[in-house]
Amino acid sequence: QVQLQESGPGLVKPSQTLSLTCNVSGGSISRGSYYWSWIRQPAGKGLEWIGRMYSSGSTNYNPSLKSRVTISEDTSKNQFSLELSSVTAADTAVYYCAREATQWLANDYWGQGTLVTVSS
Amino acid sequence: QSALTQPASVSGSPGQSITISCTGTSSDIGGYNYVSWYQQYPGKAPKLMIYEVSDRPSGVSNRFSGSKSGNTASLTISGLQAEDEADYYCSSYTSTNTLEVFGTGTKVTVL
Repeated sequence: QVQLQESGPGLVKPSQTLSLTCNVSGGSISRGSYYWSWIRQPAGKGLEWIGRMYSSGSTNYNPSLKSRVTISEDTSKNQFSLELSSVTAADTAVYYCAREATQWLANDYWGQGTLVTVSS
Repeated sequence: QSALTQPASVSGSPGQSITISCTGTSSDIGGYNYVSWYQQYPGKAPKLMIYEVSDRPSGVSNRFSGSKSGNTASLTISGLQAEDEADYYCSSYTSTNTLEVFGTGTKVTVL
């Protein structure tokens, strides 16, 4: 059973960099057939796709965030990470990591989500 | 890339069937069969209910079904139960640079 778990600071100051890690168990992120994604949800609002990475290390980002986002992997720890720079209050949200099957382009496993608040 | 359009709310009585629509464009729903539906309870992560327009993951009740016509996808919940009360989001692959777009979300209320 694949499990994903987000971790990182729950409070980030404006203009700083938000950094989150997703620990994956029950499956290797190095194995093909899956993208490893980040998705966020501001309180009371809908879901927003942030970006994803593939086992080859290639990445895709939402154009609206591309200039500020980096998704990377640490295969030795079976983790992947999100960095979002120059954050503002608009970046306050619950951040989810998820696995997306390349065959179906659907997110079949999700982490529980972690709330990140941007405030001084 | 704008979010896919869903009704804000849909309601029904226990045992009834309800349908949630999800409208996009020819760049997403209309052009590809990569439409997914997610169920989300308050404070919980989304759960995949439908993928590739109409396929159900193992363990998802067959009361949930999906379909697509043109630029609009639909999720139907038959035999509505109290446990179906949740938020539902559609999602689609898009040929724009965004690659994946979600719907605005629909709150399902069981009367």
